[in-house]
Amino acid sequence: DTGVSQNPRHKITKRGQNVTFRCDPISEHNRLYWYRQTLGQGPEFLTYFQNEAQLEKSRLLSDRFSAERPKGSFSTLEIQRTEQGDSAMYLCASSQNRGQDGELFFGEGSRLTVL
Amino acid sequence: AQKITQTQPGMFVQEKEAVTLDCTYDTSDQSYGLFWYKQPSSGEMIFLIYQGSYDEQNATEGRYSLNFQKARKSANLVISASQLGDSAMYFCAIETTDSWGKLQFGAGTQVVVTP
Repeated sequence: DTGVSQNPRHKITKRGQNVTFRCDPISEHNRLYWYRQTLGQGPEFLTYFQNEAQLEKSRLLSDRFSAERPKGSFSTLEIQRTEQGDSAMYLCASSQNRGQDGELFFGEGSRLTVL
Repeated sequence: AQKITQTQPGMFVQEKEAVTLDCTYDTSDQSYGLFWYKQPSSGEMIFLIYQGSYDEQNATEGRYSLNFQKARKSANLVISASQLGDSAMYFCAIETTDSWGKLQFGAGTQVVVTP
């Protein structure tokens, strides 16, 4: 399978715990994006990387959220001290350098439930 | 800031019929791209079609076509000859020159195709 891979697919955790999601992009893609999708809404942009550089993180929802892409390949999204409002689907996408006719390839997402 | 509006929360369509999904957008940028994605119950966002703001022709991809009316700021998706596998959520999204890759999504339209 050469698509975008995310794991775990589902995570149930108790409030206050830390969680980490992993995204493996399509191998030749140098851009990687994280989105969050809550029930009944479209995805919401969080952050993105070009290679290992995080080019925007202002949309990360709070300082409890952090993302890394240490070697410019896979990425992790960590949520510390989870809250019930963090329950959502976390989507990863990758692309080649963006041009006006580029395309984002999304993974199947990691669904987080905070009890 | 950009905004996408999808006014149809849900639609039923009979197999083999065509369906039009509405999307209006608001942006002050002259250069932008419009996307449609399909999200089945599995959660993955599947790219369907793209329209650039400077494209003179309406985009088409197989059974999908985009009715782009720039002056009205609308980008409606037409699915011809609906199939049962078309049942899914459909999202319209926009990206602009200063936000390539950072798509702004609408709330989506749920399509159910009936035999």
